[in-house]
Amino acid sequence: GENVEQHPSTLSVQEGDSAVIKCTYSDSASNYFPWYKQELGKRPQLIIDIRSNVGEKKDQRIAVTLNKTAKHFSLHITETQPEDSAVYFCAARAPTGGGNKLTFGTGTQLKVEL
Amino acid sequence: SAVISQKPSRDICQRGTSLTIQCQVDSQVTMMFWYRQQPGQSLTLIATANQGSEATYESGFVIDKFPISRPNLTFSTLTVSNMSPEDSSIYLCSVVAGDGNTIYFGEGSWLTVV
Repeated sequence: GENVEQHPSTLSVQEGDSAVIKCTYSDSASNYFPWYKQELGKRPQLIIDIRSNVGEKKDQRIAVTLNKTAKHFSLHITETQPEDSAVYFCAARAPTGGGNKLTFGTGTQLKVEL
Repeated sequence: SAVISQKPSRDICQRGTSLTIQCQVDSQVTMMFWYRQQPGQSLTLIATANQGSEATYESGFVIDKFPISRPNLTFSTLTVSNMSPEDSSIYLCSVVAGDGNTIYFGEGSWLTVV
């Protein structure tokens, strides 16, 4: 089955700096890659996603890039703000064995310091 | 996006008892899933809730421990049976949105087993 690795596990940045979180996946058939943000005591919230036919997608301060050849994708947050502090999860979906099952990375605790 | 409601939102349960979690969606959805998130960990898929048939369980999860019902396209239940402290987790219902790709999560049910 699919295996997703995520790095780093913790990331501390100064307010206004950029943050980058990287994930790799194992199943070359995976075609959908969402990113979720989970604040303490809350559910995971989808913040951005990318499909395998696209190399990059941007939404305001958040962008995701996908390299299908290398099987890795990254989340980029620019001009970080304290409210960006949360745990971020990447995920990958392979079309085999059920179609819509997501395999999640282990999460990155992002802390934005003033 | 679909509105997904879960009940209970939180509960403290006695060891050896069982608890049923309900998931209600405000629109008909084809695919519903149940995830578990243990403290400080990532999300792990328990099973796919199939309407009108038995759920499809992931490796490491069995029907006797996590029976699931899906009587219609808007509702599902997950029972955590014979609970032990290791079952203390957040249990999350999720659905696939109308675009066939985006996956949203319910508010989660925070269970603590004592």
